[in-house]
Amino acid sequence: DQQVKQNSPSLSVQEGRISILNCDYTNSMFDYFLWYKKYPAEGPTFLISISSIKDKNEDGRFTVFLNKSAKHLSLHIVPSQPGDSAVYFCAGADSWGKLQFGAGTQVVVTP
Amino acid sequence: DAGVIQSPRHEVTEMGQEVTLRCKPISGHNSLFWYRQTMMRGLELLIYFNNNVPIDDSGMPEDRFSAKMPNASFSTLKIQPSEPRDSAVYFCASSEGSSYNEQFFGPGTRLTVL
Repeated sequence: DQQVKQNSPSLSVQEGRISILNCDYTNSMFDYFLWYKKYPAEGPTFLISISSIKDKNEDGRFTVFLNKSAKHLSLHIVPSQPGDSAVYFCAGADSWGKLQFGAGTQVVVTP
Repeated sequence: DAGVIQSPRHEVTEMGQEVTLRCKPISGHNSLFWYRQTMMRGLELLIYFNNNVPIDDSGMPEDRFSAKMPNASFSTLKIQPSEPRDSAVYFCASSEGSSYNEQFFGPGTRLTVL
C-alpha cells in the first residue's frame, strides 16, 4: 500500500529552467514531509523538509509547497543545474516519526 | 565523521544461503533504520531501532528477515534463507532523535541472490 506516490518516474529539464517534482500522499496522519536526493551508488541525502502546518518552505534554489487539502506537495528547483541530476524521493512522516517514501523521480538536467 | 558505514557494498549469493548485512551508525545518533530499495516499490522501511530497541518491524517482509542492534554502534540485518526476490539495495540510516530529524544514509549494500 503506497501511501506516498510520485507518479512521474522521470523528468528532463534544460539547465537554467525550473524543475517541478510532484508528490501525492494518502495518509492524513503525516505531519512532516521531506525530500531526499540520491546520486548513483550513494545513499539518499536530505534536501529540504516542511511541517504540515506550513504551506511553503524555501532554501536557496529549492522550495517545497504543501497543499494539505489536496494531499499534494511539490519541489521546485530554480534554476536547475547539471549537478541537480539525481533521483529525488518524497517522504511523509507520521507522529511516530516513521518515514514513508515514494518511488522516486529521476531528474536529468540537460545543457 | 565517517558517516554511516555499511558492509559489504556488494553481495552475490545463491538462493538458500544466509546473508548478513552490517551497519555502523554515526556516533551519537540514537535512531537506526534499515531500508530496502527496489524498482517496483522504491524505498521501503524494514525496521527501526531507538536506543538499540526495535520500535517498529512491521516492514520486515517475513520471518526470513531478522535484525539486531546489540549496541549503539552496530546493527545487522540477516536474511535466512535468501531468495532471488530479496535482490535489492539495502540502506542503513541513522538520526538523532525522531524521524523528523534528518536521517543520514549509508552507501547501501547491493544484494544479488541467484
